Amino acid sequence: DVKVTQSSRYLVKRTGEKVFLECVQDMDHENMFWYRQDPGLGLRLIYFSYDVKMKEKGDIPEGYSVSREKKERFSLILESASTNQTSMYLCASSFSDRGGGYTFGSGTRLTVV
Amino acid sequence: QKEVEQNSGPLSVPEGAIASLNCTYSDRGSQSFFWYRQYSGKSPELIMSIYSNGDKEDGRFTAQLNKASQYVSLLIRDSQPSDSATYLCAAWYQGGKLIFGQGTELSVKP
Repeated sequence: DVKVTQSSRYLVKRTGEKVFLECVQDMDHENMFWYRQDPGLGLRLIYFSYDVKMKEKGDIPEGYSVSREKKERFSLILESASTNQTSMYLCASSFSDRGGGYTFGSGTRLTVV
Repeated sequence: QKEVEQNSGPLSVPEGAIASLNCTYSDRGSQSFFWYRQYSGKSPELIMSIYSNGDKEDGRFTAQLNKASQYVSLLIRDSQPSDSATYLCAAWYQGGKLIFGQGTELSVKP
């Protein structure tokens, strides 16, 4: 069974902390994505990557960075967590050129206090 | 600006009825379309994909695509309370990025 695994289901962090959200996929997908989802705002793309060492800004990259050192792993970094980054974070992956859909991880519910 | 539009709902149907969910997209360059189901507090789950004009059936689900009208729909026959969820429509564009609609909340009443 193909999987996208996010390291934490629930996370509570303090304002100003550096936060790492990890995502690992076992499907040999080229593409990986980070979204946040908030009530009434839908899915908003933060960053994405089409290849190792490659990253592209999405619609709301401010306050975030990413790292993709290996094909299967895509990390989202909150440089200095703020309360407005409290959200559900979703990682997804896909093949690059087959028109296929995403496979999502189970999500990380992050609360910044 | 590529956009995917959905009615936010909520759409309420009685158990056993047909639920009809609709979606329009702005860019004719889109090649593939997807429906995701998302239960409250959970992540989206892919339930249907459609690539060419016409209907595609999978069990109680039928996806319909009309590229000339830039319209995608999802029909759920014999709706069950367990179908109550938010349904996300998404369009795939060259380069591998999906554009998502805001989602339609479906409530199936027993």
